[in-house]
Amino acid sequence: ETGVTQTPRHLVMGMTNKKSLKCEQHLGHNAMYWYKQSAKKPLELMFVYSLEERVENNSVPSRFSPECPNSSHLFLHLHTLQPEDSALYLCASSRYTGTEGSYEQYFGPGTRLTVT
Amino acid sequence: GENVEQHPSTLSVQEGDSAVIKCTYSDSASNYFPWYKQELGKRPQLIIDIRSNVGEKKDQRIAVTLNKTAKHFSLHITETQPEDSAVYFCAASSGGATNKLIFGTGTLLAVQP
Repeated sequence: ETGVTQTPRHLVMGMTNKKSLKCEQHLGHNAMYWYKQSAKKPLELMFVYSLEERVENNSVPSRFSPECPNSSHLFLHLHTLQPEDSALYLCASSRYTGTEGSYEQYFGPGTRLTVT
Repeated sequence: GENVEQHPSTLSVQEGDSAVIKCTYSDSASNYFPWYKQELGKRPQLIIDIRSNVGEKKDQRIAVTLNKTAKHFSLHITETQPEDSAVYFCAASSGGATNKLIFGTGTLLAVQP
């Protein structure tokens, strides 16, 4: 599969579980992003990784823990989540040039997360 | 903080009519303005973007205009078709190391056949 892929596509977990979301990009990009999409809210940026370093943590609770082992893969580790964390979690990637930045972000299909 | 406002939240038009969605941004350093289309159950996809050194850009039935002084930018869709029905998001970015996009709240466009 080309582009940006995410697994799993759907996830139901209890508040005491630990799970991980996976994102993989096949576009040769070197910046990756996690977004949260809830009903009736704008897309909320959670984390940004540029050249495998975390460059932004947008005041996200510590129960969300990102990991970027290389420029093609991004994980979001989840533990002790709350019901209000139920949402669509979208991964995106872009090419970063290091000067004024490169802008177009390509999104994955998302993981629909339900916390019970 | 940085903010992007988008209006209207819902828009219903007849097939063949035009649709206009408007956004305003707060960060005067913003220099890149993409528009994404998200169909039900699918990922957001870029449909058009504009940079701050340009006032207007067109791609077939879609156009975007930018007024930097007023910090406004708008999406114009002409000759709408039922397949244009989706949620449209505007966004603004000042680029830099994070290439962070600040998104609007979205507009649900319904094109009635």
